[in-house]
Amino acid sequence: GAGVSQSPSNKVTEKGKDVELRCDPISGHTALYWYRQSLGQGLEFLIYFQGNSAPDKSGLPSDRFSAERTGGSVSTLTIQRTQQEDSAVYLCASSLDPFSGNTIYFGEGSWLTVV
Amino acid sequence: AQSVTQPDIHITVSEGASLELRCNYSYGATPYLFWYVQSPGQGLQLLLKYFSGDTLVQGIKGFEAEFKRSQSSFNLRKPSVHWSDAAEYFCAVTPYGGATNKLIFGTGTLLAVQP
Repeated sequence: GAGVSQSPSNKVTEKGKDVELRCDPISGHTALYWYRQSLGQGLEFLIYFQGNSAPDKSGLPSDRFSAERTGGSVSTLTIQRTQQEDSAVYLCASSLDPFSGNTIYFGEGSWLTVV
Repeated sequence: AQSVTQPDIHITVSEGASLELRCNYSYGATPYLFWYVQSPGQGLQLLLKYFSGDTLVQGIKGFEAEFKRSQSSFNLRKPSVHWSDAAEYFCAVTPYGGATNKLIFGTGTLLAVQP
């Protein structure tokens, strides 16, 4: 597609349930990132995938969070046993090889509300 | 630890007035610097970026930013603000020289434009 596509755009879930958020990056982009945007917390890095390399998971806040990227394209961020503090906008982004200074393009985000 | 500070949480300007949004960073070496804009319900859009060379960088929508190494600043400016510029603006920096795989964002400045 023309841009980074995320689904669902909005998700309301009950505390304790698992959720999956999907990201479809721009075609040809080898790098894929997940960020979380919370009220009062700004944007925080979660995880980064680059080609076939092992992902950088250093930003994941707990072991309830995981992500995978299948076939070097689509990525799924999974949050298990959701908590109210997980409520946030989850932003996916992609870029060409990041080490050459290419622009990172963001999707519109998935707004997660845990009730 | 690397950090980005945007001291102004909320700024209101009149349409046609000039604008300056402040950004300071804390990082040992000269990082890559970015300004992103987020309109309501939209993803982040890159306004401009500084990698090296001329310290005055021109971006889209009439924005520019100046890198000042001595002040560790990368302030965003626009000579005449339009009502459509109302949005949230984020300054970001990469923690590793030359790599853009992990942006560190400031907490954002929300810009309101009065008629």
